[in-house]
Amino acid sequence: DQQVKQNSPSLSVQEGRISILNCDYTNSMFDYFLWYKKYPAEGPTFLISISSIKDKNEDGRFTVFLNKSAKHLSLHIVPSQPGDSAVYFCAAGGGADGLTFGKGTHLIIQP
Amino acid sequence: EAQVTQNPRYLITVTGKKLTVTCSQNMNHEYMSWYRQDPGLGLRQIYYSMNVEVTDKGDVPEGYKVSRKEKRNFPLILESPSPNQTSLYFCASSLSRISRGRGVQETQYFGPGTRLLVL
Repeated sequence: DQQVKQNSPSLSVQEGRISILNCDYTNSMFDYFLWYKKYPAEGPTFLISISSIKDKNEDGRFTVFLNKSAKHLSLHIVPSQPGDSAVYFCAAGGGADGLTFGKGTHLIIQP
Repeated sequence: EAQVTQNPRYLITVTGKKLTVTCSQNMNHEYMSWYRQDPGLGLRQIYYSMNVEVTDKGDVPEGYKVSRKEKRNFPLILESPSPNQTSLYFCASSLSRISRGRGVQETQYFGPGTRLLVL
């Protein structure tokens, strides 16, 4: 049973527009959430996180929104830049076994 | 420079030939783990270690072994590799185990990955 779901394997967005990546989770024990970014041939790197006591966290062009009642979070990138093209992993912590990752969404920023 | 290193970065081997992928971190982190990344499956945890001499199974431990004799090193051992272990492997470390209710937004630091092909 997949506890963290990223239902869009890929997403294509024009440069300068907003990119919205979505993530759903099922385990109500998760109490914080992270987004990782991964370029080809590199390991994932931490991007932004949010605790369950908040509904929004912002860091520059990146904002993460958390809707606990819907068990849904999203990552907004605005404006999108070519260097944002990467695979984005949603991860959740607070369950029994460290972090649980989604399958990832491949974001493609088109010029 | 704080980092997690893995070796080798690329490896081609044959079924049944034992291999070890090394992982080392220089951040004095207690918690280390191994993941494999496969198309359509994302990152899945193989094994993790909360501290020296403390290891436990993750989601997909079959066919793998680990050891944690020193804090900085966490090697992944494939005693008898099989083709279904062809994958991209990542080692990761964090200051402590990410556990419920701590309210600490700890992140894991990932190594660069090891791409393994088992023929």
